[in-house]
Amino acid sequence: DVKVTQSSRYLVKRTGEKVFLECVQDMDHENMFWYRQDPGLGLRLIYFSYDVKMKEKGDIPEGYSVSREKKERFSLILESASTNQTSMYLCASSFIRGTGANVLTFGAGSRLTVL
Amino acid sequence: DQQVKQNSPSLSVQEGRISILNCDYTNSMFDYFLWYKKYPAEGPTFLISISSIKDKNEDGRFTVFLNKSAKHLSLHIVPSQPGDSAVYFCAASGLNAGNMLTFGGGTRLMVKP
Repeated sequence: DVKVTQSSRYLVKRTGEKVFLECVQDMDHENMFWYRQDPGLGLRLIYFSYDVKMKEKGDIPEGYSVSREKKERFSLILESASTNQTSMYLCASSFIRGTGANVLTFGAGSRLTVL
Repeated sequence: DQQVKQNSPSLSVQEGRISILNCDYTNSMFDYFLWYKKYPAEGPTFLISISSIKDKNEDGRFTVFLNKSAKHLSLHIVPSQPGDSAVYFCAASGLNAGNMLTFGGGTRLMVKP
């Protein structure tokens, strides 16, 4: 079974703090993703990476950055947390396929509260 | 501008009956559609997918129907069980968008015993 592990399940931070969310997958997947989930808005893509040291902006990258120094690890960074970044953050991974559905495997999520 | 929409935020069904979850999309270039299920405090898990060249895909109690002309898909769960109570997300992807998934807002299904 593919496992995607998010290191922190619950975090509480103050406005202006720097926040690191870590994600590790154990199945040698090339693609990794960070989403945030908000009620009624579904899952929105923040950033994704298709290879080590590669990153691409998703739909809502503002206020976030990412790092992928190793294939199995993908980190999401909030340089200066704000209250509107209070959300559930979901990491996912998948392997590259030329055709077929892009099936993502998700971690359990990190619920971040910014006060 | 939401390209994938789930217009019903919640649905309540009696155990043993059929659950029908609906999803509409606007981008005719989508070529795969997926359904994910999410329990509280867990990540979404993949349920079933369908290619745009098909109109039906079945897996046990779960069937997905695709109506391309109406840009509409639905997930049928028969018979519904209390363990099916979760939030269901539909998602779509297209090769022209790098195969990235676009998700709907989700529908919370409650199956009453």
